[in-house]
Amino acid sequence: TQLLEQSPQFLSIQEGENLTVYCNSSSVFSSLQWYRQEPGEGPVLLVTVVTGGEVKKLKRLTFQFGDARKDSSLHITAAQPGDTGLYLCALRGNTGKLIFGQGTTLQVKP
Amino acid sequence: DAGVTQSPTHLIKTRGQHVTLRCSPISGHKSVSWYQQVLGQGPQFIFQYYEKEERGRGNFPDRFSARQFPNYSSELNVNALLLGDSALYLCASSFTPNTYNEQFFGPGTRLTVL
Repeated sequence: TQLLEQSPQFLSIQEGENLTVYCNSSSVFSSLQWYRQEPGEGPVLLVTVVTGGEVKKLKRLTFQFGDARKDSSLHITAAQPGDTGLYLCALRGNTGKLIFGQGTTLQVKP
Repeated sequence: DAGVTQSPTHLIKTRGQHVTLRCSPISGHKSVSWYQQVLGQGPQFIFQYYEKEERGRGNFPDRFSARQFPNYSSELNVNALLLGDSALYLCASSFTPNTYNEQFFGPGTRLTVL
């Protein structure tokens, strides 16, 4: 059983569309991270959310941490082909190890 | 400054063989972690090393081992390769294992077991 469940697993959209990716669990988190991984590269940290209800923005990306700190979402406005990649949510364990969800593969077609 | 580097980039082995993957952390980083990423999945934690000592181990068989050298570089060894070991192996480095230190990932080594 995955500690973090991401949905959808795959998303293919046209340039300019909006989308939302979800990361859910039955457990409460102290914090949660979002990463993007492009083909041939390792994951790159986008944001860390810590406080329940927190909203963080990174250009066209908006990240939200649920009030109960059991879920998070990533919303992309006006998606561009450069947004194509694998989006991963992750927990940071006490020793620093990362526990990832299975990821959402996003394809943005021009 | 150079990021995390890994070698080789790609590797093809046959079942039963042994493989050694290498990782050089960002200069100044003393902690190295290894992850296995099967195609279409998120990375899974294998090992974490800090100051040459193992600090954490994931749910992987004893065929997997690792070590960290005095210069903080690291090797991941896998013995008696199975088809299921085919994956992208990622190395990540950070200043320390502390939860608040960001981990920076290398590009990975793509291992194919035939």
